[in-house]
Amino acid sequence: EAQVTQNPRYLITVTGKKLTVTCSQNMNHEYMSWYRQDPGLGLRQIYYSMNVEVTDKGDVPEGYKVSRKEKRNFPLILESPSPNQTSLYFCASSFAGADTEAFFGQGTRLTVV
Amino acid sequence: SQKIEQNSEALNIQEGKTATLTCNYTNYSPAYLQWYRQDPGRGPVFLLLIRENEKEKRKERLKVTFDTTLKQSLFHITASQPADSATYLCALEGYGGSQGNLIFGKGTKLSVKP
Repeated sequence: EAQVTQNPRYLITVTGKKLTVTCSQNMNHEYMSWYRQDPGLGLRQIYYSMNVEVTDKGDVPEGYKVSRKEKRNFPLILESPSPNQTSLYFCASSFAGADTEAFFGQGTRLTVV
Repeated sequence: SQKIEQNSEALNIQEGKTATLTCNYTNYSPAYLQWYRQDPGRGPVFLLLIRENEKEKRKERLKVTFDTTLKQSLFHITASQPADSATYLCALEGYGGSQGNLIFGKGTKLSVKP
């Protein structure tokens, strides 16, 4: 089954404790991206990647890191999480080329206390 | 920078009526625009894409229009059902035309009452 898989689905952590949210897709998509979704603010893009070893900042990259060492994986790293990073996170992927739809993961609900 | 606005945060309609949702954008001329459906706590799911040279696109009970002069897209659900209740998001490619860089509106929450 074609899908984007995020782990974990839920995570509660403490301020400053490094964490990684994994994202994997099995559709051989070139593009992958991370979004956070907050009430009243909608979906905001954190980082995106157009292919292996190619990443770029989205609208809200501060406090996050990403890497794209393999085509299928695009982990999101929070080196020193803070409470303002409490949010619902989504990973998405799509084919390259014009006007292709994005496929989203199930989401990761992160709480930083 | 480009801006996307979905005019209504919430829209309540009666079952059987047509729901019409609006998406406006500024400071950009996208080659296409997409609409997604999102249920609570779940990831958005793609519904329809319309290109700048298309005035209208249909899929079953869904219809999307794209007016590049007005910089507006309208999303219609005809014969609406309670199962259509969800948040609907419009999205377009980010500045520079990078297809991996989709920018989303804040969404309109549609409630269809029986």
